[in-house]
Amino acid sequence: DTGVSQDPRHKITKRGQNVTFRCDPISEHNRLYWYRQTLGQGPEFLTYFQNEAQLEKSRLLSDRFSAERPKGSFSTLEIQRTEQGDSAMYLCASSSNREYSGNTIYFGEGSWLTVV
Amino acid sequence: AQSVAQPEDQVNVAEGNPLTVKCTYSVSGNPYLFWYVQYPNRGLQFLLKYITGDNLVKGSYGFEAEFNKSQTSFHLKKPSALVSDSALYFCAVRAPDRYNQGGKLIFGQGTELSVKP
Repeated sequence: DTGVSQDPRHKITKRGQNVTFRCDPISEHNRLYWYRQTLGQGPEFLTYFQNEAQLEKSRLLSDRFSAERPKGSFSTLEIQRTEQGDSAMYLCASSSNREYSGNTIYFGEGSWLTVV
Repeated sequence: AQSVAQPEDQVNVAEGNPLTVKCTYSVSGNPYLFWYVQYPNRGLQFLLKYITGDNLVKGSYGFEAEFNKSQTSFHLKKPSALVSDSALYFCAVRAPDRYNQGGKLIFGQGTELSVKP
C-alpha cells in the first residue's frame, strides 16, 4: 500500500506567479486534507474533501487559494498571484471515514514552496 | 472550540533516560487525540492515538502516551530514549465535523526533542 504522494516536492516561484500542487491519497481513502506549515509552527488546516465534495475551508484559504478533487481521487491546490507570505510547506493527508473520528490521518512528505 | 497546547518548545534528554513530551487539550465532547513525529524536511508520521478504552496507549518505535481526562492531558512517553528519536513532535486533537464524523486535526505548536549520546 503506497502512502500519500505529493508533487512537486519543492517549488521556487517568483512573486505574482501561479503554482499548483498535486496530491494522490492512499487508495480507497475518501477523505483528503490540505494543511500549511511554516517553520517552527504546527500544521494549519486549510481545507478537506470527502470524495469530490469540499466539506470545510479555513478562513486561511483566501480567494487566491483554490482546491479541487474532481473525481474523488487526486486533488490539486492552486495558489494564484503568489506572495512571499505564501512560502511554506503544503501538506496533504488522507483518511477513510469508516471509524469516524477515530480514523488515523496519514500525511504525505509535503510540498515546499518558496516565493522569491 | 478545540485546542491543543504543548507547553515546552524543546525537551533535552540523555540517551537511555526516559522522556516525556507534554500535551494538554481542550475539546467539547469526547477527545480523539493523536501524536505525530516530524523529521527535518519530511512530512508527519503517525505515532499513536487515543480513541477510547485503556488510558495507556502504545504506539510505534516504543512510544506510549497516557490519557488523563481529569487533567486534560495526553503526554507522550518513552522508557529509554534513543539519539534517533530526536525530532519534532506534534500533539493533535480530532474535531468532530458537522456531520458528526471525524473532521480536521488541530495541532499544537510542536516540541523539539533532542536526545544526546
